[in-house]
Amino acid sequence: QKEVEQNSGPLSVPEGAIASLNCTYSDRGSQSFFWYRQYSGKSPELIMFIYSNGDKEDGRFTAQLNKASQYVSLLIRDSQPSDSATYLCALISGGYQKVTFGTGTKLQVIP
Amino acid sequence: DAGVIQSPRHEVTEMGQEVTLRCKPISGHNSLFWYRQTMMRGLELLIYFNNNVPIDDSGMPEDRFSAKMPNASFSTLKIQPSEPRDSAVYFCASSPRVVLEGVSGNTIYFGEGSWLTVV
Repeated sequence: QKEVEQNSGPLSVPEGAIASLNCTYSDRGSQSFFWYRQYSGKSPELIMFIYSNGDKEDGRFTAQLNKASQYVSLLIRDSQPSDSATYLCALISGGYQKVTFGTGTKLQVIP
Repeated sequence: DAGVIQSPRHEVTEMGQEVTLRCKPISGHNSLFWYRQTMMRGLELLIYFNNNVPIDDSGMPEDRFSAKMPNASFSTLKIQPSEPRDSAVYFCASSPRVVLEGVSGNTIYFGEGSWLTVV
């Protein structure tokens, strides 16, 4: 089983809709979780991180963490064409903070 | 404030040649990561350093790959000899150590990547 699993997509949503991206992980000792956005040909950039169960909101983005079920999700409200990118889930585990990424979900926002 | 600096940005080399990728992390960051990204396998962690010491190199594909971090401001990833299947984008990233309410957490900052093509 991969440490971090994501549906590769593409996930297509119409402009203005809510996009829901999901990620599951296998290591219960994982401490912190991150969502990165990567545009084609660019390096990943951090959107937000979460380390406590529940929801964390930042603008149009909401991260949700459920450690019991070992999943993390990212909701994007009022999706815009500029949100079209690959979204990478990442987590930290281990005392030396090993950071592991999922393979990413490609999101397409249709105007 | 300079970010993570990688060189070269693009390299095309012939099979069998040695390739050296270089990275300068953000000043003050104590962790450094080398990742490889391909369409098929996504973003794979090759090796990471903490305070210049290699902590986990289990992601290094084979003995042809080696990485060093001689000081806090410089790291190299070397492939010798290179093969066409090594063609990928190689990202270097660094992070500071942050403890948030007793939970270790950090933000990884990526360089712009080194695009390697081995023909």
